[in-house]
Amino acid sequence: EPEVTQTPSHQVTQMGQEVILRCVPISNHLYFYWYRQILGQKVEFLVSFYNNEISEKSEIFDDQFSVERPDGSNFTLKIRSTKLEDSAMYFCASRGTGVDNSPLHFGNGTRLTVT
Amino acid sequence: QKEVEQNSGPLSVPEGAIASLNCTYSDRGSQSFFWYRQYSGKSPELIMSIYSNGDKEDGRFTAQLNKASQYVSLLIRDSQPSDSATYLCAVNLNTGFQKLVFGTGTRLLVSP
Repeated sequence: EPEVTQTPSHQVTQMGQEVILRCVPISNHLYFYWYRQILGQKVEFLVSFYNNEISEKSEIFDDQFSVERPDGSNFTLKIRSTKLEDSAMYFCASRGTGVDNSPLHFGNGTRLTVT
Repeated sequence: QKEVEQNSGPLSVPEGAIASLNCTYSDRGSQSFFWYRQYSGKSPELIMSIYSNGDKEDGRFTAQLNKASQYVSLLIRDSQPSDSATYLCAVNLNTGFQKLVFGTGTRLLVSP
């Protein structure tokens, strides 16, 4: 069964450094998402992406965050200057086309630790 | 503020029992509803989707939706220790881009 893949599985970085989290969505999907989950808290929406542009973003997704689909397969989340509070699991998700209500398929996540 | 609310638990049931998980949501315009299972340190895994009022059954799982009461539930029959996980209720806000809003999740513990 096709799946969403994310790399790396764990990223440790120092405060103020830039990080790029990578995702390969399911190949025929066109809607892409980033969510995050701080330890012990709920899964929170960050951003949705469709047709090579952001369709919606949350208040969390400030100027320090950006997303990009640099080629036909990868979808990346960049954090320009990481803060301690950015430490969380980051999940990429995608969904299929044709049915507006089709569910999101999540990758295994990247655990980001900012020290 | 659009919200999805769940009891955080833990909900403890013995093996073989029925586990009942509940969720309420605030956006009356929501159209689609999902239950995800999340094991500790892992990603959410889709269990059920439901779009219309009533019951939907898939194996040991039954999802129930009541849009008038803004209420979604998940029943797990013949609960197994491997069902022990956090169950996340997710609601699609009626924005057209399938922005799922998650509840905090209910932790289920199934004892042998």
